[in-house]
Amino acid sequence: AIWMTQSPSLLSASTGDRVTISCRMSQGITNYLAWYQQKPGKAPELLIYGASTLQSGVPSRFSGSGSGTDFTLTISCLQSEDFATYYCQQYSTFPHTFGQGTKVEIK
Amino acid sequence: EVQLVESGGGLVQPGRSLRLSCAASGFTFVDYAMHWVRQAPGKGLEWVSGISWNSGNIGYADSVKGRFFISRDNAKNSLYLQMNSLRAEDTAFYYCAKGRLTGTTFFDHWGQGTLVTVSP
Repeated sequence: AIWMTQSPSLLSASTGDRVTISCRMSQGITNYLAWYQQKPGKAPELLIYGASTLQSGVPSRFSGSGSGTDFTLTISCLQSEDFATYYCQQYSTFPHTFGQGTKVEIK
Repeated sequence: EVQLVESGGGLVQPGRSLRLSCAASGFTFVDYAMHWVRQAPGKGLEWVSGISWNSGNIGYADSVKGRFFISRDNAKNSLYLQMNSLRAEDTAFYYCAKGRLTGTTFFDHWGQGTLVTVSP
């Protein structure tokens, strides 16, 4: 199985900040990586797939980068609705795996 | 509009079985892989199982392999998860998720989840 290390687990930030979340794989997955946002009591929502392709309807302040083993999610200018938990997910092989999650909270 | 509606969750004793269902609508079900993802209360997401469009490619998390079995009925636009020998650590919200692709894939739509509680 492919192991994933997502960091940080908790990120305190203010509205307007630029934030980055990292996801590292135990082996290369080319660009088979997705990012999701989850708010309390809700199902996750797809933000980015193919490491850098923005899902339709997702604001352009979200971006993804990386390939192989190291990936990054960036929110360029944090808005109030962005305070949530973010997960990376690899879909290169079964079993698919998720990162441990990063909670973005208000500083 | 894509809709995924899970059902079948509830309270079950350890060692017993439960079958989850997911009713899909708003898209051509047979064209896409489908998956189950779970989330224990207050914890992160855990991929459970996935099935390709024609059931030819199936995968399971190590934590459920040999106990859980995924299936689909394309004629009924439905996805299933048969859960046997349930354990306390299987307690979670179980989400049905639609794949964007036909095999290994990310998930572009999710249901609202059904809660499974395993307790004496």
